[in-house]
Amino acid sequence: AQSVTQLGSHVSVSEGALVLLRCNYSSSVPPYLFWYVQYPNQGLQLLLKYTTGATLVKGINGFEAEFKKSETSFHLTKPSAHMSDAAEYFCAVSYTGGFKTIFGAGTRLFVKA
Amino acid sequence: DAMVIQNPRYQVTQFGKPVTLSCSQTLNHNVMYWYQQKSSQAPKLLFHYYDKDFNNEADTPDNFQSRRPNTSFCFLDIRSPGLGDAAMYLCATSNPRGEGTQYFGPGTRLLVL
Repeated sequence: AQSVTQLGSHVSVSEGALVLLRCNYSSSVPPYLFWYVQYPNQGLQLLLKYTTGATLVKGINGFEAEFKKSETSFHLTKPSAHMSDAAEYFCAVSYTGGFKTIFGAGTRLFVKA
Repeated sequence: DAMVIQNPRYQVTQFGKPVTLSCSQTLNHNVMYWYQQKSSQAPKLLFHYYDKDFNNEADTPDNFQSRRPNTSFCFLDIRSPGLGDAAMYLCATSNPRGEGTQYFGPGTRLLVL
């Protein structure tokens, strides 16, 4: 069965520091990969996605992620954290022809001044 | 702007009193989803519609029902809310010919007294 694992339910960084949120997936077929962000009392918003082609994808708000097939990973990074990045981040996978998205458990990012 | 709208944003109901949450979309997507999200957890899929074809998740309680009268609207009915049903309810849409990106509404937070 396909699954998504996010390492670390909470990550804390200082403002201006590198943000690294980890995501690994298990899949027997090539997946589509997503990162969503959720701010308090709001819905999920797409940050970025990998479908095909270039394995390094850039998203909104300065985030990027790299698809590494050999490691079955899709880690999310941002070079310099901003206070406004504090939120919950969900990694997710879907598949060709499928209607379901499998979400990871989420990682809450805290940004310290 | 094309979007997913949920009303109300906050809903208070009494234990056992039926409640309906609504969702509308201007994206003209064939697929609409209802998720339940409890604090610090990933969204949990309750069911989805592909056009008028209803697909219930195996572990969705019978207490939860849904209606989709047309492409734009979808309703979540909770027949007899219990205290454990207090949660954020998220509506989402997707294009089945796409790669599975889901577009979320802002959510309705349900409080059961």
